[in-house]
Amino acid sequence: QSVLTQPPSVSGAPGQRVTISCTGSSSNIGAGFDVHWYQRLPGTAPKLLIYGNSYRPSGVPDRFSGSRSGTSASLAITGLQAEDEADYYCQSYDSSLTGSKVFGAGTKLTVL
Amino acid sequence: QVQLHESGPGLVKPSQTLSLTCTVSGDSISVGAYYWSWIRQLPGKGLEWIGNIFYSGSTDYNPSLKSRVTISVDTPKNQFSLNLSSVTAADTAVYYCARGRSEYYFDYWGQGTLVTVSS
Repeated sequence: QSVLTQPPSVSGAPGQRVTISCTGSSSNIGAGFDVHWYQRLPGTAPKLLIYGNSYRPSGVPDRFSGSRSGTSASLAITGLQAEDEADYYCQSYDSSLTGSKVFGAGTKLTVL
Repeated sequence: QVQLHESGPGLVKPSQTLSLTCTVSGDSISVGAYYWSWIRQLPGKGLEWIGNIFYSGSTDYNPSLKSRVTISVDTPKNQFSLNLSSVTAADTAVYYCARGRSEYYFDYWGQGTLVTVSS
């Protein structure tokens, strides 16, 4: 069982907006540790999508945005495109597990 | 462009030691700004951080794996390695190496290598 909780799946039609939630606890997100997001396209390695809760690495479209509040975080994708169909993972740091970087179980995004 | 590439056996027998190497190009492990990390994805499950090493040799490990994991670094070869001992079928996974930032995220990943534990 993952330390960070994500919905197993979300879906949306092209052009729509979808959000993916990531719920933690007082020892990780709630303690103020940043949340990061990764996109894993089929058959490829995870790619950094959002770091530091809301910052996009160079090359990531501004259709992707992140936020954090309390013990949760969210990834929003606007103007959904077929190529966004992928698995999305949130990640943070947990102070109750020494040195541990923790991940969510992942959310499968289906573009209808 | 930073690139990482995992190499090692794709099949390991139960109770033996899984050994993988990550070769880094486009960056120097000895620069000292990053934590060189191993992460795995178990079948049908999410990602699991295994551990990381700093260029100086200092390490951090996932508490759940700590008793079986050793990560080492070879700065002249610009490589770092993973040893996971006493493996079982539960260790069958895709293993990734990645570059970790001090802010606790991973900005570059290898393509991953599937390791199957089976007799």
